[in-house]
Amino acid sequence: GAGVSQSPRYKVAKRGQDVALRCDPISGHVSLFWYQQALGQGPEFLTYFQNEAQLDKSGLPSDRFFAERPEGSVSTLKIQRTQQEDSAVYLCASSLGGAGDTGELFFGEGSRLTVL
Amino acid sequence: GENVEQHPSTLSVQEGDSAVIKCTYSDSASNYFPWYKQELGKRPQLIIDIRSNVGEKKDQRIAVTLNKTAKHFSLHITETQPEDSAVYFCAAPATGANNLFFGTGTRLTVIP
Repeated sequence: GAGVSQSPRYKVAKRGQDVALRCDPISGHVSLFWYQQALGQGPEFLTYFQNEAQLDKSGLPSDRFFAERPEGSVSTLKIQRTQQEDSAVYLCASSLGGAGDTGELFFGEGSRLTVL
Repeated sequence: GENVEQHPSTLSVQEGDSAVIKCTYSDSASNYFPWYKQELGKRPQLIIDIRSNVGEKKDQRIAVTLNKTAKHFSLHITETQPEDSAVYFCAAPATGANNLFFGTGTRLTVIP
């Protein structure tokens, strides 16, 4: 596809369930980012990949959050034992350049997670 | 890390008037300052960006100005139209990294 694709678009989970959110970046984009956006707030950085290497995971809020990009393309954000405070929109973004080459981020539509 | 503050949080203007949104940042080494527009339920999209080697950049009705000494940058929208209604986010990069820190957003409403 032409843009960043995320799935599922909507996910409802019961507290304590594990969830997995998928991101398919723009082909050829080196950098991939995950952001968390709470209602009425700006995107908050979670983690960054350059190809398959996770260079920064400083924004992950707890060890229940895990992300991977094993082949340097598709990425998965996994949240274990979900809590109500995890409810948010999870945005994936990709950019063409690598570390140190700051440029436009292309965002997906997001995955809206609701934890009951 | 970078600290980005944005104001106002909401802004209402009459169609045809101008709108100005301001952001401040904390890291003097930051060198890239984008503005994103997010319509309700949609993805954020880049509308304009500026690098630290220039003080102003314009693209039709949109302009961004940068004051590196004061560490602030502003988005200017002239001749506003109803389709400009959205939430606007400023951002600045983390030191030595690619990730962006975003402001808390400004909800702009253009009244027809």
